[in-house]
Amino acid sequence: AQSVTQPDIHITVSEGASLELRCNYSYGATPYLFWYVQSPGQGLQLLLKYFSGDTLVQGIKGFEAEFKRSQSSFNLRKPSVHWSDAAEYFCAVGPFGGGYNKLIFGAGTRLAVHP
Amino acid sequence: NAGVTQTPKFRILKIGQSMTLQCAQDMNHNYMYWYRQDPGMGLKLIYYSVGAGITDKGEVPNGYNVSRSTTEDFPLRLELAAPSQTSVYFCASSYSTSSGELFFGEGSRLTVL
Repeated sequence: AQSVTQPDIHITVSEGASLELRCNYSYGATPYLFWYVQSPGQGLQLLLKYFSGDTLVQGIKGFEAEFKRSQSSFNLRKPSVHWSDAAEYFCAVGPFGGGYNKLIFGAGTRLAVHP
Repeated sequence: NAGVTQTPKFRILKIGQSMTLQCAQDMNHNYMYWYRQDPGMGLKLIYYSVGAGITDKGEVPNGYNVSRSTTEDFPLRLELAAPSQTSVYFCASSYSTSSGELFFGEGSRLTVL
């Protein structure tokens, strides 16, 4: 069955420190992979996506993610975290349903940033 | 740039009451979705639509109904509210191709007491 696992429910980092959020997926074919961010009281916003090609993808706000097929992972990274990065981050995989853009989301990782 | 607009943002219902969550998008997207978000559970797909007049069930459709009479609007109806429907509801839309990028509204927080 298709699924997405985000092993870390909460992560706390200091401002300026590096960040890596983990995502593992189970999917029967080559997946499309996504990271979304949800700021408090807001809807989700797409950070980056991987469809094919270069396995290191760049996104908005200085984030990047690397697709590793052998590990079924799509970890999100940022070299230096800013206080404004405090939010909840969701990894997602798809599409399902004949290309109807249905995605399966992970449970999310809540990031706190210490000054 | 309105994008996806949801109303209301907050609502408290009594058990057994009915209500409709409204969702409208102004991007001319064919695909629209309703998700619910529960703590520690991520987002679960309730219903989706691939165009006006066409809807289908997602992972957790029980207790909900939808309609899609226009491209812009995709309301979600709760007929007999139950405490298990206490959640944050997100409407989203996407282009007709398999781009996978969803555009989300700001959410509607529903509490059933």
